[in-house]
Amino acid sequence: DTAVSQTPKYLVTQMGNDKSIKCEQNLGHDTMYWYKQDSKKFLKIMFSYNNKELIINETVPNRFSPKSPDKAHLNLHINSLELGDSAVYFCASGESGTGGLGTFGSGTRLTVV
Amino acid sequence: EDKVVQSPLSLVVHEGDTVTLNCSYEVTNFRSLLWYKQEKKAPTFLFMLTSSGIEKKSGRLSSILDKKELFSILNITATQTGDSAIYLCAASPHSGYALNFGKGTSLLVTP
Repeated sequence: DTAVSQTPKYLVTQMGNDKSIKCEQNLGHDTMYWYKQDSKKFLKIMFSYNNKELIINETVPNRFSPKSPDKAHLNLHINSLELGDSAVYFCASGESGTGGLGTFGSGTRLTVV
Repeated sequence: EDKVVQSPLSLVVHEGDTVTLNCSYEVTNFRSLLWYKQEKKAPTFLFMLTSSGIEKKSGRLSSILDKKELFSILNITATQTGDSAIYLCAASPHSGYALNFGKGTSLLVTP
């Protein structure tokens, strides 16, 4: 069983579209994250969310919004996609209080054309 | 602003060489320093360090943290081609917020 699973693995879409990436974890963790990895392989936190608190990296445009239907899921919605949104998006989960240790999903490669 | 700086950014070595990767950090209310290895897909966890001077070891890999000088090193001895990857260092604050990653060191081990 995959611990943190993301779908889709690849997503190619046109500028201006709205898209979602889904993430599910079966580890029982209380916190989930979204990271963006750009073409230079720099991983940057976008959101951190547990059932108590959503923390948003202030540099993330408000076209990006996380949605969590329950503790095991954290989906990423992106409105009005732009070319610069092309990247690999990683979902991760962890347990609060463990110093940030997390398990990563295998990533979603988003290409905006 | 919190930051994590890794060096070198890239490195090419021959099989059998020993390499040392560096990571310095400035993180408010620092809690732990983590190392990950990223090959083609997701980063995979290597080490988490919270105390100074205690070496963590796993096979040919080892890592140590210096909280006074605010840095960590990752050593790989007797490198193999399978060690070729991007090695990511990340710092975590006490607040429980997510990891603050460095830009990674791209290691290539040639036969």
